[in-house]
Amino acid sequence: KNQVEQSPQSLIILEGKNCTLQCNYTVSPFSNLRWYKQDTGRGPVSLTIMTFSENTKSNGRYTATLDADTKQSSLHITASQLSDSASYICVVSGRGGSQGNLIFGKGTKLSVKP
Amino acid sequence: EPEVTQTPSHQVTQMGQEVILRCVPISNHLYFYWYRQILGQKVEFLVSFYNNEISEKSEIFDDQFSVERPDGSNFTLKIRSTKLEDSAMYFCASSVLSVGPGELFFGEGSRLTVL
Repeated sequence: KNQVEQSPQSLIILEGKNCTLQCNYTVSPFSNLRWYKQDTGRGPVSLTIMTFSENTKSNGRYTATLDADTKQSSLHITASQLSDSASYICVVSGRGGSQGNLIFGKGTKLSVKP
Repeated sequence: EPEVTQTPSHQVTQMGQEVILRCVPISNHLYFYWYRQILGQKVEFLVSFYNNEISEKSEIFDDQFSVERPDGSNFTLKIRSTKLEDSAMYFCASSVLSVGPGELFFGEGSRLTVL
């Protein structure tokens, strides 16, 4: 069964610190992997999209990595800010599937404290 | 910056009532989607819509659900007879392209509470 698992479930860090969130997936065949940021009660906002051939992609203080062989991805947040407090969701699309039929992880809830 | 807009932001309804959730996708987008997120759970795909017809739907999208684009700008999700378990946040999304790593834009969501 196609699944996306994220860890940790929740994380608390101090402002200014770095953190890394993990995503493992079993989706096959694979097309692309996305990381979204979702503020509480709001819609997901795209951070990065990576295809099979991409190993790393950055968006400001966010850097995502992808290892398609081990089916793992990570999202690294540098110099965290209070506004980074949100859920971070890993989303995987299988090859041949429509863009809409994405498989979502449960997310990692990040809290950045002053 | 163009955005997907959804109304209402919150709707409370009695079990068995019909509900219509509305979405205005980004104007040059061709593909439209509905997702739902039950409180504390992951986002789940409901349906995708292109060229005025459903292109794909999940097991969740049963006969109680329907979608349409009544006037060329709005994209609606109708739940005919709501059940308690329909309580969730419903997200509309749109995109220019369907397959591939195209950008998918989500609205802010409509929270549905069924009593």
